Amino acid sequence: EAQVTQNPRYLITVTGKKLTVTCSQNMNHEYMSWYRQDPGLGLRQIYYSMNVEVTDKGDVPEGYKVSRKEKRNFPLILESPSPNQTSLYFCASRSLSYEQYFGPGTRLTVT
Amino acid sequence: KNQVEQSPQSLIILEGKNCTLQCNYTVSPFSNLRWYKQDTGRGPVSLTIMTFSENTKSNGRYTATLDADTKQSSLHITASQLSDSASYICVVSATDSSYKLIFGSGTRLLVRP
Repeated sequence: EAQVTQNPRYLITVTGKKLTVTCSQNMNHEYMSWYRQDPGLGLRQIYYSMNVEVTDKGDVPEGYKVSRKEKRNFPLILESPSPNQTSLYFCASRSLSYEQYFGPGTRLTVT
Repeated sequence: KNQVEQSPQSLIILEGKNCTLQCNYTVSPFSNLRWYKQDTGRGPVSLTIMTFSENTKSNGRYTATLDADTKQSSLHITASQLSDSASYICVVSATDSSYKLIFGSGTRLLVRP
């Protein structure tokens, strides 16, 4: 089954404790991205990657890092999480026909 | 500034009734417009995608329209079902930044029995 997976689905952590949210897709898509979703704001792009080793900032990249060492994986790294990064995070991959597939989401709470 | 605005913010209808959701955008130059359905706590799922030359597209009980002149789109849901309760998100992409999508904040629809 074609899908995008994320782990963990839920995470509660404390300020400053580094964390990584993994994302994997099995559709051989070149383009992947990370979004955060906050009430009333819609989805905002954090980072995107057009291919292996090619990444770029989205609209809200501050406080986040990404890496793309393999085509299927695109982890999101929070080196020093802060409470304002409490949000619902979505990973997505995009096909050549521009159809975007979203993962199930990761709900992060930073206390 | 590229923007996508949706209305209403929320809507409550009775099961079996029809409804129409609106999307206005100021994205230029326009590439395509998509409607997504997002169930609570889950990732958005694509309903329709329309390019400049298309003015209507259907997916079952969902019909999207696009007026590229007025930069408006609508999503019409026919014979609503309880499972239609979700947020509906309008997303527009521009030809000069086709890797980037501009998201509306969504319309939250509740279908009551």
